[in-house]
Amino acid sequence: AQSVTQPDIHITVSEGASLELRCNYSYGATPYLFWYVQSPGQGLQLLLKYFSGDTLVQGIKGFEAEFKRSQSSFNLRKPSVHWSDAAEYFCAVGARGYQKVTFGTGTKLQVIP
Amino acid sequence: GAGVSQSPSNKVTEKGKDVELRCDPISGHTALYWYRQSLGQGLEFLIYFQGNSAPDKSGLPSDRFSAERTGGSVSTLTIQRTQQEDSAVYLCASRPQGEGSYEQYFGPGTRLTVT
Repeated sequence: AQSVTQPDIHITVSEGASLELRCNYSYGATPYLFWYVQSPGQGLQLLLKYFSGDTLVQGIKGFEAEFKRSQSSFNLRKPSVHWSDAAEYFCAVGARGYQKVTFGTGTKLQVIP
Repeated sequence: GAGVSQSPSNKVTEKGKDVELRCDPISGHTALYWYRQSLGQGLEFLIYFQGNSAPDKSGLPSDRFSAERTGGSVSTLTIQRTQQEDSAVYLCASRPQGEGSYEQYFGPGTRLTVT
């Protein structure tokens, strides 16, 4: 069965600083990978996804993520964080041909001035 | 276009009462999911509908939980004899059909509080 680990429950960064949120997955084959963002009181919005091809994927709001098969990781990055990026971020993994997606427990990002 | 909508946005109910939560998926999306998000937890999968196939109910936590999807569109999640541990945000998501369309589109959720 597939699984996702987000080891950081809460991260605080200064506005303008770089950001990296960690995600490790467990799955026997090449997975589908996603990052979603949830602002307070909102549903989840897709930031980016990896299906195949280039392992560095670009998403919305200036985010990017890199699929590293050798490390079973799909870390989310942003070079310069804005106060509006404060939210909760979820990594998710899906299996080809299998319609369910498994979500991590989320990382809550706090941005300080 | 219109996104996934859910109603009500908030629901407060007394322990032991039944509740119904509604989800209107994006038009044309064949797949529909229900999740539960408890405080400090990730998303817990509850149930999945795909077209006319039998739903995947493997995530329903007890027989007090049930869901249906009428006409391949609107879905209702019903919780009978609610308990305090049912308090959570219930999220619905829909997805279009086809390989390469695995991203899900989420509604804003229904916050359920059982007193």
